Amino acid sequence: AQSVTQLGSHVSVSEGALVLLRCNYSSSVPPYLFWYVQYPNQGLQLLLKYTSAATLVKGINGFEAEFKKSETSFHLTKPSAHMSDAAEYFCAVSRGGYQKVTFGTGTKLQVIP
Amino acid sequence: KAGVTQTPRYLIKTRGQQVTLSCSPISGHRSVSWYQQTPGQGLQFLFEYFSETQRNKGNFPGRFSGRQFSNSRSEMNVSTLELGDSALYLCASSGDRTYGYTFGSGTRLTVV
Repeated sequence: AQSVTQLGSHVSVSEGALVLLRCNYSSSVPPYLFWYVQYPNQGLQLLLKYTSAATLVKGINGFEAEFKKSETSFHLTKPSAHMSDAAEYFCAVSRGGYQKVTFGTGTKLQVIP
Repeated sequence: KAGVTQTPRYLIKTRGQQVTLSCSPISGHRSVSWYQQTPGQGLQFLFEYFSETQRNKGNFPGRFSGRQFSNSRSEMNVSTLELGDSALYLCASSGDRTYGYTFGSGTRLTVV
């Protein structure tokens, strides 16, 4: 079975600082990996996805993530945090095809002015 | 193109009642998944429909059911509502799951 573990349910960064949200996956086959963002009382929005084409994936709003097979990680980064980045972020994994998508428990990002 | 539409956005029901939530996926998407989101349990998978067939099912009691119509629109039903069913119910559609889901804004259900 596939799963993801997000380290840290809450992360605080200063405005302009590096954002690093951690995600480790477990999958018996090459996975498809995703990061989603959720703003209060909204659905989830896809930030970026890894589908084996390239290990460094660039997404929307300046976010990127690097797939590291040796570390089974897919951490999300952004060089400089903006106030508008404050939201909850979810890592997710799928085996593709007809397999369901499994989400992590989420990390709430607080940006301090 | 239009996104995933969920109706209603907010709903207040009384314990013991039943409720039906609706989801219209992105045009052309045949897969619709439903998730329940609560502060304590996070995102929990309810079920997935593809071309009117339930393809995956989560670990929820039989009070939770769903269906999908030939136009890919989906409904989920919860019977005999309990206080613990209060949650944000999210619908997600997908044309190809390797490319991820597109979520609707959700239906906020409050059971009193």
